[in-house]
Amino acid sequence: DTEVTQTPKHLVMGMTNKKSLKCEQHMGHRAMYWYKQKAKKPPELMFVYSYEKLSINESVPSRFSPECPNSSLLNLHLHALQPEDSALYLCASSARLRTVTNAQETQYFGPGTRLLVL
Amino acid sequence: SQQGEEDPQALSIQEGENATMNCSYKTSINNLQWYRQNSGRGLVHLILIRSNEREKHSGRLRVTLDTSKKSSSLLITASRAADTASYFCATTRDGSARQLTFGSGTQLTVLP
Repeated sequence: DTEVTQTPKHLVMGMTNKKSLKCEQHMGHRAMYWYKQKAKKPPELMFVYSYEKLSINESVPSRFSPECPNSSLLNLHLHALQPEDSALYLCASSARLRTVTNAQETQYFGPGTRLLVL
Repeated sequence: SQQGEEDPQALSIQEGENATMNCSYKTSINNLQWYRQNSGRGLVHLILIRSNEREKHSGRLRVTLDTSKKSSSLLITASRAADTASYFCATTRDGSARQLTFGSGTQLTVLP
């Protein structure tokens, strides 16, 4: 199974709402990522989890709160978002092994959650 | 911050023709990868080339890397309508194998 799944596919929320995005992989990968992608722009890295611990936070506002409950799941909790946060949110995973090879550095992406903040 | 720039921004070709996309980057890298993204969907990894490699092939794909010029190119031969997508280069910096920085992307349209 080389699939990363994300739910929901689409989400519309108001600025006072609290919602969560979910990501799941069963490839045994120990690194998981959240990216934000605006229309016609490249993905931008938000967070990296390694062995269920947050290892990189790219200065993301605190209204985005990541969580990694176990090695297969990654959540992104959303609260008090702004309309400019509307975007495609992509989850990815990659193997994290001591011996680095080409295959181990490949990131596998989910289909994304398209978020609209009103 | 944006590491790479790609050109052209958009490319339209006929089925069967070859498509060439270029990527330039600014800092030293561990490796450079190319990804494809169909409209509004997730990215699919195509090929990875290490900083000590100059050329790599995978099926109809050929990637070159010139570290002296900080540039890479992706060639898709005998293009098909199904190749229509956005193509992004992505680099990882020395000491940061997991922080991918994507280029601005090339939108490829292959006309049947």
